[in-house]
Amino acid sequence: KAGVTQTPRYLIKTRGQQVTLSCSPISGHRSVSWYQQTPGQGLQFLFEYFSETQRNKGNFPGRFSGRQFSNSRSEMNVSTLELGDSALYLCASSLQSSGTRFSYEQYFGPGTRLTVT
Amino acid sequence: KQEVTQIPAALSVPEGENLVLNCSFTDSAIYNLQWFRQDPGKGLTSLLLIQSSQREQTSGRLNASLDKSSGRSTLYIAASQPGDSATYLCAVVRDGGSQGNLIFGKGTKLSVKP
Repeated sequence: KAGVTQTPRYLIKTRGQQVTLSCSPISGHRSVSWYQQTPGQGLQFLFEYFSETQRNKGNFPGRFSGRQFSNSRSEMNVSTLELGDSALYLCASSLQSSGTRFSYEQYFGPGTRLTVT
Repeated sequence: KQEVTQIPAALSVPEGENLVLNCSFTDSAIYNLQWFRQDPGKGLTSLLLIQSSQREQTSGRLNASLDKSSGRSTLYIAASQPGDSATYLCAVVRDGGSQGNLIFGKGTKLSVKP
């Protein structure tokens, strides 16, 4: 079974631009979560989608948004990029979302390395 | 607010040594705890997941334990190898409601010297 895939793997943007990252979960997984990893803050939760609905959201500004499609693929968008948005963006999928007694075991993709200049 | 701490931040050991990585969390109301490995510039690889009702999980040379009441988990690596060199992260899922996201520690960077 194929793992979580993320595209693109690397991206360089300039301040003020916007960017869209894509994530394809493991087949059959309906929950997709996004995380930002920086050297200073570590891994921080951005948001989670389940069945095309945002179920949970971290403490990030409104410039960060996402969506999920009917095939469970997800995209996240960052508008008006700032230098501090430079990070590794990781996507994770799991079989089920919150509110169930499933394990929540999450499987991560390789990430998208975003550099903002 | 749940906080996850990992000590030490970095660890260097000679090949063949058994070692323990520590993880502590401030709120014992967790649903599960997951240990990950991250190689430089790469994504996370899941190593072990422990449900809140379990005390430990084993996979090969890895053994993870969980003590919810004291807010602690340990990852034991037996007979360490240079290929084990990586950053090890622990993360918890909060219990109940719609709080299914992972809360991560900052990780322990492990270096195993040949």
